[in-house]
Amino acid sequence: DAGITQSPRHKVTETGTPVTLRCHQTENHRYMYWYRQDPGHGLRLIHYSYGVKDTDKGEVSDGYSVSRSKTEDFLLTLESATSSQTSVYFCAISGTGELFFGEGSRLTVL
Amino acid sequence: TQLLEQSPQFLSIQEGENLTVYCNSSSVFSSLQWYRQEPGEGPVLLVTVVTGGEVKKLKRLTFQFGDARKDSSLHITAAQPGDTGLYLCAGVLSNAGNMLTFGGGTRLMVKP
Repeated sequence: DAGITQSPRHKVTETGTPVTLRCHQTENHRYMYWYRQDPGHGLRLIHYSYGVKDTDKGEVSDGYSVSRSKTEDFLLTLESATSSQTSVYFCAISGTGELFFGEGSRLTVL
Repeated sequence: TQLLEQSPQFLSIQEGENLTVYCNSSSVFSSLQWYRQEPGEGPVLLVTVVTGGEVKKLKRLTFQFGDARKDSSLHITAAQPGDTGLYLCAGVLSNAGNMLTFGGGTRLMVKP
């Protein structure tokens, strides 16, 4: 199994609070991704990174920011969480085109 | 409207039946992948197809990439309860580098 871990795995927060999700990999892969998964929508790309300090937006990036200060960590931040950001968030890594996913972080915004 | 449309969205069948899941688009893809996801876990890659008309088999699963590289299908023969899960197709558009776009998924339940 690819070495990828997400934290926290579950979080409940209130509208307007900041939230940071962490993705940690031990595979030294260049590419890292954050997706959200909602019923009927499959997986939608939020942001991705192609190297340290190199990031770009995906199709649903509004309300999210990311940072990658070292190869192994990719952080997803919700500056001010909203109820529409209630979702399951998946981190993925890739070296050669195949995506390896973490186990997901379930976020509930009340 | 999603770039990749999967059908059916839900499928409930008895053990031993055959089934086909479809992944369709009006766009051309340079490659297409199929993933399976079990509850509480992340998706896991099953196969990648890159050539129009390509057929790949993985035990009882047969994957086909359309001749025009706009669609794909997944056929399961003699389904088993262990095949239960969410099946996702994902494609790389011909003009989009290596970014994957996912379909909405097909949720399969195989009853014993």
